[in-house]
Amino acid sequence: GENVEQHPSTLSVQEGDSAVIKCTYSDSASNYFPWYKQELGKRPQLIIDIRSNVGEKKDQRIAVTLNKTAKHFSLHITETQPEDSAVYFCAAAPSGGYNKLIFGAGTRLAVHP
Amino acid sequence: DTEVTQTPKHLVMGMTNKKSLKCEQHMGHRAMYWYKQKAKKPPELMFVYSYEKLSINESVPSRFSPECPNSSLLNLHLHALQPEDSALYLCASSLSGQGSGYEQYFGPGTRLTVT
Repeated sequence: GENVEQHPSTLSVQEGDSAVIKCTYSDSASNYFPWYKQELGKRPQLIIDIRSNVGEKKDQRIAVTLNKTAKHFSLHITETQPEDSAVYFCAAAPSGGYNKLIFGAGTRLAVHP
Repeated sequence: DTEVTQTPKHLVMGMTNKKSLKCEQHMGHRAMYWYKQKAKKPPELMFVYSYEKLSINESVPSRFSPECPNSSLLNLHLHALQPEDSALYLCASSLSGQGSGYEQYFGPGTRLTVT
C-alpha cells in the first residue's frame, strides 16, 4: 500500500523567510497530492493540491511542486508570516478506490516575528 | 453552506456509556469520512461512505459503528469505548468517493475523552 514520508518534523523560520516541506510517496499510481494546514485546536484546512498531470501550482505565497519520477512533492511558502505557524500535513491519494488519503506525519512550522 | 459541521464539540463518556457523534454537510457531497486524530499525529481514516454505502472500514473495532442516514448526514455510534479511544474525531466530505482526486473538507471535530 501507499506510504508517505514527510520532512522535516519541525521547522523554525524568521518572519519573511521561505519555508520548504518535502514529502515522498511509494505508490507510483498515486495521482492526487493535497496539503493541509492545521492550527492548534482547529480542523485540517486544505490549502493547496496538485494532480499528477501538473508539475507545479501556485496560489499567492504558497506553491507546490511534484516530481513524479522521483515520487516526491514539496510545499513552498514564501514571505512567511506568524499566522503561517501551524502543523502542515501532506497526503497522497492512490488512484482508483474510494478517494482514500494517506497522510504524512506532519511538520510543525513556527514563524518567529 | 460551504462547511462541514460536527456535534458535539466535546464529549466525555464512561466506558459503559453509549453516545453518538453527528456530522452534517449541505454541499451536495456524496462521500463522507470518519477520521481519528491523536495528539501530534495525522488524521487516521476509519470509514468511508460513498453514495450512502459503507465503502471502506479500516479494520475499526466494532465498538465504533458508523451510520449514513442520508447524503447529508453521517453518524458515529460509540459503545463500550476504552480510554485509548480518547482522540479528536474528524468528519470530512468530498464531491465523490468514486476514484481519487476529490478535495476533502474537514469538520471542526469532536474532542472525545473516555474515562
